[in-house]
Amino acid sequence: DTAVSQTPKYLVTQMGNDKSIKCEQNLGHDTMYWYKQDSKKFLKIMFSYNNKELIINETVPNRFSPKSPDKAHLNLHINSLELGDSAVYFCASSQRSAAEAFFGQGTRLTVV
Amino acid sequence: QQPVQSPQAVILREGEDAVINCSSSKALYSVHWYRQKHGEAPVFLMILLKGGEQKGHEKISASFNEKKQQSSLYLTASQLSYSGTYFCGTVRQAGTALIFGKGTTLSVSS
Repeated sequence: DTAVSQTPKYLVTQMGNDKSIKCEQNLGHDTMYWYKQDSKKFLKIMFSYNNKELIINETVPNRFSPKSPDKAHLNLHINSLELGDSAVYFCASSQRSAAEAFFGQGTRLTVV
Repeated sequence: QQPVQSPQAVILREGEDAVINCSSSKALYSVHWYRQKHGEAPVFLMILLKGGEQKGHEKISASFNEKKQQSSLYLTASQLSYSGTYFCGTVRQAGTALIFGKGTTLSVSS
């Protein structure tokens, strides 16, 4: 069983489109994250959810929105995609913030 | 606030040792270390909580100096499998998010 799973693994889309990336964890964790990793490998935090409540949002454009239907899922919706959105997006979960974080395999988003 | 890692890159031969440093300008609750290999997701190595502890994981260990808000990752007798990018992550208070530094790329050759 995969602990944290993301879909899709690859996503190629045109500028201006709207897309979603799904994330599910089966670990029973209370905290989930979305990170963006650009070509320079910097892991930038985008969102953090604790028991379905957003607890941090790091100056991310409002074209990005997290949606958490339940504690095990944290999906990422992106509107009006731009070239600069191209990156690898990682979902992660942990029992609490000061605990081991488990990462999904990543979604490589390419905007053309 | 993002922690600062140094050096940016390290090149080693098998068997050599390396130290990667991580520092923060703010008080920390915990320091986390992860390793990421090319094309893969980051993998957890260890967590150090405030209190100035030191931990070990095979030939990889780390320390956390709470007074200086600094942590160091020690890799001894490096192996080819140690190659990758090492990330320091910090949590400032319980319940706040895990924020990563820019990473240190380690290359080990035979």
